[in-house]
Amino acid sequence: DAKTTQPPSMDCAEGRAANLPCNHSTISGNEYVYWYRQIHSQGPQYIIHGLKNNETNEMASLIITEDRKSSTLILPHATLRDTAVYYCISTVRGSTLGRLYFGRGTQLTVWP
Amino acid sequence: DAGVIQSPRHEVTEMGQEVTLRCKLISGHNSLFWYRQTMMRGLELLIYFNNNVPIDDSGMPEDRFSAKMPNASFSTLKIQPSEPRDSAVYFCASSAGGGGYTFGSGTRLTVV
Repeated sequence: DAKTTQPPSMDCAEGRAANLPCNHSTISGNEYVYWYRQIHSQGPQYIIHGLKNNETNEMASLIITEDRKSSTLILPHATLRDTAVYYCISTVRGSTLGRLYFGRGTQLTVWP
Repeated sequence: DAGVIQSPRHEVTEMGQEVTLRCKLISGHNSLFWYRQTMMRGLELLIYFNNNVPIDDSGMPEDRFSAKMPNASFSTLKIQPSEPRDSAVYFCASSAGGGGYTFGSGTRLTVV
């Protein structure tokens, strides 16, 4: 079962920052936060993951609160192609326990 | 790298027929996951292999479903006999065991 909570939908103007929140209040100390997105009719795509420090890559930034009970995925300049369902997942990394359980995610719609 | 390759992309079959879905992992990846996606249930993890060994098949719906990994780069998911409620998009994903998963493009199965 998914152990994270996300709003079902959000929208954002093209060119603006999209900030997608996620609550993971029961996260364990050895669990990472992963973000994936799924564009219609495609397989999910890995975006970013982190443990406790903020992370940034070419796609997005991940801000994790100090108590690790919530996080925010930031798309700094959203484009129409960023319209997708975004999934936030907490899981143990790099072991036989490290499987991903997807919830319903957040449908992000970027409008012109 | 061609990524995770699934075949066929689309499959339409009659109820009662055997269906075999195929997945080729990314070279060097040692974990393999089969997921099923429907509107009602979202993305469900069916089975998970690590180093060719099935680790967790608790998500396999019933005995009609079976999955194998005959070698390190290839897996099959078989449904015998198929039923209309098996209609879904089936994804496989592979991982190197520490980072994100890479998903295939999926197989859309329709059982009539």
